[in-house]
Amino acid sequence: DQQVKQNSPSLSVQEGRISILNCDYTNSMFDYFLWYKKYPAEGPTFLISISSIKDKNEDGRFTVFLNKSAKHLSLHIVPSQPGDSAVYFCAASITGNQFYFGTGTSLTVIP
Amino acid sequence: GAVVSQHPSWVICKSGTSVKIECRSLDFQATTMFWYRQFPKQSLMLMATSNEGSKATYEQGVEKDKFLINHASLTLSTLTVTSAHPEDSSFYICSAGGTSTSYNEQFFGPGTRLTVL
Repeated sequence: DQQVKQNSPSLSVQEGRISILNCDYTNSMFDYFLWYKKYPAEGPTFLISISSIKDKNEDGRFTVFLNKSAKHLSLHIVPSQPGDSAVYFCAASITGNQFYFGTGTSLTVIP
Repeated sequence: GAVVSQHPSWVICKSGTSVKIECRSLDFQATTMFWYRQFPKQSLMLMATSNEGSKATYEQGVEKDKFLINHASLTLSTLTVTSAHPEDSSFYICSAGGTSTSYNEQFFGPGTRLTVL
């Protein structure tokens, strides 16, 4: 069963607006969460992460929010730029030994 | 939902031996599977694209004779690290895209941690 889920396969946002990508998980043992960005024909690249002891982590235009009670995390990109158009994967880990990935959300930022 | 499994989840081997890692799509057929290696700063590097019934396509800089990939069926791809050395110690992850999934949808396995002594 999929332990990490991204229920929105695609998302379109106007340039300059906020992009919100969502991710849900089922295993309460996950203690580390990551977001990856993937361009076509390239491997995913690490974007931002958050430990389960935090509820927010910010890096420039990217902010990840973690709601442990709801087993939900989200990635906010603001302002969105056309170069942000890519597929975004969330991943969850237990002590860094195994990583469980979501199925990805394709973000399109419209100029 | 679609599930991709990897076996083993953790393997320790001596330098010079070969290690085989399996990637299986459990409830869907995957014409294409991808093999990644995770580096210390957490970025995933695409190693190769494995296509069922044909030779794998390797990314630049990846030694095809060292990392043997076989995709013999629509549900199984294997990565064999031949003559492993300590620098091959890493986390290897596969992903699969099925024929019934959207183009951008990839189902990732849980990964295999390889430690070469």
